[in-house]
Amino acid sequence: DAGITQSPRHKVTETGTPVTLRCHQTENHRYMYWYRQDPGHGLRLIHYSYGVKDTDKGEVSDGYSVSRSKTEDFLLTLESATSSQTSVYFCAISESRDSGNEQFFGPGTRLTVL
Amino acid sequence: GNSVTQMEGPVTLSEEAFLTINCTYTATGYPSLFWYVQYPGEGLQLLLKATKADDKGSNKGFEATYRKETTSFHLEKGSVQVSDSAVYFCALLSGGGADGLTFGKGTHLIIQP
Repeated sequence: DAGITQSPRHKVTETGTPVTLRCHQTENHRYMYWYRQDPGHGLRLIHYSYGVKDTDKGEVSDGYSVSRSKTEDFLLTLESATSSQTSVYFCAISESRDSGNEQFFGPGTRLTVL
Repeated sequence: GNSVTQMEGPVTLSEEAFLTINCTYTATGYPSLFWYVQYPGEGLQLLLKATKADDKGSNKGFEATYRKETTSFHLEKGSVQVSDSAVYFCALLSGGGADGLTFGKGTHLIIQP
């Protein structure tokens, strides 16, 4: 299994509070991704990173920011959480941007915003 | 833009039945195609992939063939087991635009003994 951990694994928070989710990898892969999984939507890309300090927006980036100061860590921040951000968040990594390159997924973080 | 369409289910089958989960896609260029599987409470695992037209991906008895002419990548298995119960996602990755995968909504498969 690829070495990907996510923390916390579960979190309950209140509307308006800031939340940071962490993804940590031990594979030294260049590319890292944040997805959210919601019933009826599958997984949707929030942000991705193609190197240290290099990030870009995905399909559903509004209300989220990311940072990558080290190869191994990719942080997802909700500056002011809303109930619509209740979801399961998955981090993924890949070695290259080659279209055949596999993405490996972390175990997920279940976030509930009350 | 890119999109993936798959039957959502739930799909309920008896053990040893034949499985087909349909997947069709819309994409720019020549995407790579994937099937991922998610077991309860876990993350996604790659099941199989195909990177060009007419390629067949296979793993654990599952197969899917990249059909460019019908823009499809249907998942099949000849004889399913209870342990195959999971959610299956069809996905594509294309060179244009963001580098993330585009997923279908997922198909919940339930295999009854």
